[in-house]
Amino acid sequence: KAGVTQTPRYLIKTRGQQVTLSCSPISGHRSVSWYQQTPGQGLQFLFEYFSETQRNKGNFPGRFSGRQFSNSRSEMNVSTLELGDSALYLCASSWTGTGGTGELFFGEGSRLTVL
Amino acid sequence: GENVEQHPSTLSVQEGDSAVIKCTYSDSASNYFPWYKQELGKGPQLIIDIRSNVGEKKDQRIAVTLNKTAKHFSLHITETQPEDSAVYFCAASSPNTGNQFYFGTGTSLTVIP
Repeated sequence: KAGVTQTPRYLIKTRGQQVTLSCSPISGHRSVSWYQQTPGQGLQFLFEYFSETQRNKGNFPGRFSGRQFSNSRSEMNVSTLELGDSALYLCASSWTGTGGTGELFFGEGSRLTVL
Repeated sequence: GENVEQHPSTLSVQEGDSAVIKCTYSDSASNYFPWYKQELGKGPQLIIDIRSNVGEKKDQRIAVTLNKTAKHFSLHITETQPEDSAVYFCAASSPNTGNQFYFGTGTSLTVIP
Protein backbone atom coordinates (compact mmCIF):
# COMPACT_ATOMS: atom_id res chain seq x y z
CA LYS A 1 0.00 0.00 0.00
CA ALA A 2 1.48 3.33 -1.02
CA GLY A 3 2.08 5.85 1.76
CA VAL A 4 1.26 9.53 1.90
CA THR A 5 2.86 11.38 -0.99
CA GLN A 6 3.72 15.05 -0.84
CA THR A 7 4.93 17.23 -3.69
CA PRO A 8 7.12 19.09 -4.17
CA ARG A 9 9.64 17.92 -1.57
CA TYR A 10 11.67 21.12 -1.67
CA LEU A 11 10.94 24.59 -2.94
CA ILE A 12 12.34 28.08 -2.66
CA LYS A 13 10.18 31.18 -2.95
CA THR A 14 10.64 34.87 -2.35
CA ARG A 15 8.62 37.11 -0.08
CA GLY A 16 5.26 38.09 -1.49
CA GLN A 17 4.92 35.06 -3.74
CA GLN A 18 2.41 32.31 -3.23
CA VAL A 19 2.88 28.56 -3.07
CA THR A 20 0.70 25.47 -3.50
CA LEU A 21 1.59 22.15 -1.91
CA SER A 22 0.00 18.85 -2.80
CA CYS A 23 -0.78 15.74 -0.77
CA SER A 24 -2.05 12.34 -1.87
CA PRO A 25 -3.32 10.33 1.11
CA ILE A 26 -3.22 6.59 1.61
CA SER A 27 -5.88 4.90 -0.48
CA GLY A 28 -9.12 4.71 1.48
CA HIS A 29 -8.23 7.51 3.90
CA ARG A 30 -10.71 10.35 3.80
CA SER A 31 -9.18 12.61 6.43
CA VAL A 32 -6.22 14.79 5.49
CA SER A 33 -4.51 17.13 7.95
CA TRP A 34 -1.75 19.66 7.45
CA TYR A 35 0.89 20.63 10.00
CA GLN A 36 3.66 23.21 10.00
CA GLN A 37 6.92 22.09 11.59
CA THR A 38 9.55 24.60 12.64
CA PRO A 39 12.59 24.18 14.92
CA GLY A 40 11.62 24.71 18.53
CA GLN A 41 7.90 24.94 17.80
CA GLY A 42 7.19 21.33 17.02
CA LEU A 43 4.19 20.57 14.85
CA GLN A 44 1.47 23.18 14.62
CA PHE A 45 -1.93 22.18 13.28
CA LEU A 46 -3.07 24.07 10.19
CA PHE A 47 -6.33 22.42 9.17
CA GLU A 48 -8.06 19.12 8.54
CA TYR A 49 -10.28 18.08 5.66
CA PHE A 50 -12.73 15.22 5.60
CA SER A 51 -14.84 14.38 2.57
CA GLU A 52 -13.97 17.69 0.90
CA THR A 53 -15.05 19.74 3.93
CA GLN A 54 -12.77 21.61 6.31
CA ARG A 55 -13.49 20.07 9.68
CA ASN A 56 -10.98 21.87 11.89
CA LYS A 57 -8.74 24.89 11.56
CA GLY A 58 -5.73 25.95 13.62
CA ASN A 59 -4.61 29.43 14.58
CA PHE A 60 -3.00 30.54 11.36
CA PRO A 61 -3.76 33.68 9.34
CA GLY A 62 -6.08 33.61 6.37
CA ARG A 63 -3.07 33.50 4.03
CA PHE A 64 -3.04 29.78 4.71
CA SER A 65 -5.80 27.91 2.96
CA GLY A 66 -6.52 24.44 1.72
CA ARG A 67 -8.94 22.25 -0.09
CA GLN A 68 -9.69 18.61 -0.67
CA PHE A 69 -10.85 16.98 -3.84
CA SER A 70 -13.34 14.18 -4.34
CA ASN A 71 -10.50 11.63 -4.57
CA SER A 72 -9.29 12.81 -1.11
CA ARG A 73 -6.18 14.45 -2.49
CA SER A 74 -5.52 17.77 -0.80
CA GLU A 75 -3.72 20.99 -1.54
CA MET A 76 -2.68 23.80 0.72
CA ASN A 77 -1.89 27.30 -0.44
CA VAL A 78 0.05 30.07 1.21
CA SER A 79 -0.32 33.52 -0.29
CA THR A 80 1.86 36.59 0.21
CA LEU A 81 4.72 34.57 1.64
CA GLU A 82 6.67 35.90 4.61
CA LEU A 83 10.12 34.88 5.84
CA GLY A 84 8.50 33.24 8.86
CA ASP A 85 6.61 30.84 6.61
CA SER A 86 9.84 28.92 6.01
CA ALA A 87 9.12 25.50 7.45
CA LEU A 88 8.51 21.84 6.77
CA TYR A 89 4.86 21.34 5.84
CA LEU A 90 3.60 17.90 6.72
CA CYS A 91 0.49 16.24 5.44
CA ALA A 92 -1.09 13.37 7.34
CA SER A 93 -3.93 11.09 6.39
CA SER A 94 -6.17 9.00 8.59
CA TRP A 95 -9.00 6.52 8.10
CA THR A 96 -10.94 8.02 10.96
CA GLY A 97 -14.51 8.97 10.31
CA THR A 98 -16.60 11.52 12.11
CA GLY A 99 -15.94 12.25 15.76
CA GLY A 100 -13.08 9.87 16.31
CA THR A 101 -9.33 10.02 16.59
CA GLY A 102 -6.97 7.60 14.98
CA GLU A 103 -3.44 7.13 13.83
CA LEU A 104 -2.00 9.80 11.59
CA PHE A 105 0.14 8.62 8.70
CA PHE A 106 2.55 11.37 7.71
CA GLY A 107 4.19 12.10 4.42
CA GLU A 108 7.83 13.15 4.26
CA GLY A 109 6.88 16.80 3.97
CA SER A 110 7.46 19.74 1.69
CA ARG A 111 10.31 21.95 2.82
CA LEU A 112 9.59 25.56 1.97
CA THR A 113 12.28 28.22 2.11
CA VAL A 114 11.23 31.85 1.75
CA LEU A 115 13.96 34.30 0.81
CA GLY B 1 -7.19 25.00 23.79
CA GLU B 2 -4.94 22.10 24.66
CA ASN B 3 -1.30 22.72 25.64
CA VAL B 4 1.21 19.87 25.55
CA GLU B 5 4.62 20.31 27.16
CA GLN B 6 7.47 17.86 26.59
CA HIS B 7 10.75 17.31 28.46
CA PRO B 8 13.62 17.02 28.02
CA SER B 9 14.33 18.68 24.68
CA THR B 10 17.54 16.66 24.26
CA LEU B 11 18.56 13.35 25.78
CA SER B 12 21.76 11.34 25.41
CA VAL B 13 22.06 7.79 26.72
CA GLN B 14 24.55 4.98 26.44
CA GLU B 15 23.53 2.03 24.32
CA GLY B 16 21.67 -0.47 26.46
CA ASP B 17 20.46 2.11 28.97
CA SER B 18 16.86 3.27 29.32
CA ALA B 19 15.40 6.55 28.09
CA VAL B 20 12.37 8.33 29.50
CA ILE B 21 10.52 11.25 27.91
CA LYS B 22 7.73 13.03 29.76
CA CYS B 23 4.76 15.07 28.60
CA THR B 24 2.00 16.98 30.33
CA TYR B 25 -1.30 18.14 28.90
CA SER B 26 -3.85 20.68 30.03
CA ASP B 27 -7.23 19.64 28.60
CA SER B 28 -8.95 17.03 30.74
CA ALA B 29 -11.09 16.08 27.71
CA SER B 30 -8.04 14.73 25.87
CA ASN B 31 -8.33 10.98 25.60
CA TYR B 32 -5.83 9.81 22.99
CA PHE B 33 -2.07 10.12 23.40
CA PRO B 34 0.21 8.93 20.60
CA TRP B 35 3.99 9.03 20.40
CA TYR B 36 5.74 9.66 17.11
CA LYS B 37 9.33 9.05 16.04
CA GLN B 38 10.85 11.26 13.36
CA GLU B 39 14.07 10.29 11.68
CA LEU B 40 16.13 12.76 9.72
CA GLY B 41 14.47 13.72 6.44
CA LYS B 42 11.34 11.72 7.12
CA GLY B 43 7.87 12.36 8.42
CA PRO B 44 6.85 11.34 11.95
CA GLN B 45 5.84 7.73 12.41
CA LEU B 46 3.60 6.37 15.16
CA ILE B 47 5.47 4.08 17.54
CA ILE B 48 2.94 3.60 20.33
CA ASP B 49 -0.28 5.15 21.57
CA ILE B 50 -2.52 4.99 24.61
CA ARG B 51 -6.12 5.89 25.29
CA SER B 52 -7.43 7.36 28.51
CA ASN B 53 -9.11 4.15 29.66
CA VAL B 54 -5.70 2.46 29.97
CA GLY B 55 -2.89 3.26 32.39
CA GLU B 56 -0.02 1.52 30.66
CA LYS B 57 0.78 -0.07 27.33
CA LYS B 58 3.87 -1.96 26.26
CA ASP B 59 5.25 -3.04 22.91
CA GLN B 60 8.56 -4.90 23.13
CA ARG B 61 11.16 -2.34 24.30
CA ILE B 62 8.73 0.59 24.29
CA ALA B 63 6.14 1.42 26.90
CA VAL B 64 3.86 4.35 27.61
CA THR B 65 2.26 5.25 30.93
CA LEU B 66 -0.63 7.63 31.51
CA ASN B 67 -1.68 9.39 34.70
CA LYS B 68 -5.02 11.07 33.99
CA THR B 69 -5.25 12.68 37.41
CA ALA B 70 -1.93 14.43 37.04
CA LYS B 71 -2.42 14.91 33.29
CA HIS B 72 0.91 13.48 32.29
CA PHE B 73 2.15 10.61 30.18
CA SER B 74 5.59 9.19 29.55
CA LEU B 75 7.49 7.19 26.97
CA HIS B 76 9.93 4.56 28.19
CA ILE B 77 12.49 2.94 25.91
CA THR B 78 14.52 0.11 27.41
CA GLU B 79 17.74 -1.46 26.11
CA THR B 80 18.29 1.45 23.77
CA GLN B 81 20.01 0.88 20.44
CA PRO B 82 21.70 3.34 18.04
CA GLU B 83 18.73 3.07 15.67
CA ASP B 84 16.55 4.55 18.41
CA SER B 85 18.33 7.88 17.81
CA ALA B 86 15.69 10.26 16.45
CA VAL B 87 13.32 13.03 17.49
CA TYR B 88 10.32 11.87 19.50
CA PHE B 89 7.05 13.78 19.76
CA CYS B 90 4.18 13.28 22.13
CA ALA B 91 0.69 14.41 21.18
CA ALA B 92 -2.82 14.66 22.56
CA SER B 93 -6.28 14.88 21.05
CA SER B 94 -9.85 14.86 22.28
CA PRO B 95 -13.22 13.84 20.83
CA ASN B 96 -14.11 17.55 20.75
CA THR B 97 -11.47 18.31 18.16
CA GLY B 98 -11.64 15.27 15.92
CA ASN B 99 -8.32 14.66 14.22
CA GLN B 100 -6.69 17.84 15.49
CA PHE B 101 -3.62 16.82 17.44
CA TYR B 102 -1.59 18.97 19.80
CA PHE B 103 2.09 18.09 19.73
CA GLY B 104 4.90 18.59 22.19
CA THR B 105 8.02 20.37 20.98
CA GLY B 106 10.00 17.17 20.61
CA THR B 107 12.90 15.35 22.25
CA SER B 108 16.08 14.68 20.32
CA LEU B 109 17.35 11.31 21.56
CA THR B 110 20.93 10.26 20.89
CA VAL B 111 22.02 6.73 21.74
CA ILE B 112 25.79 6.54 22.09
CA PRO B 113 27.29 3.20 20.97
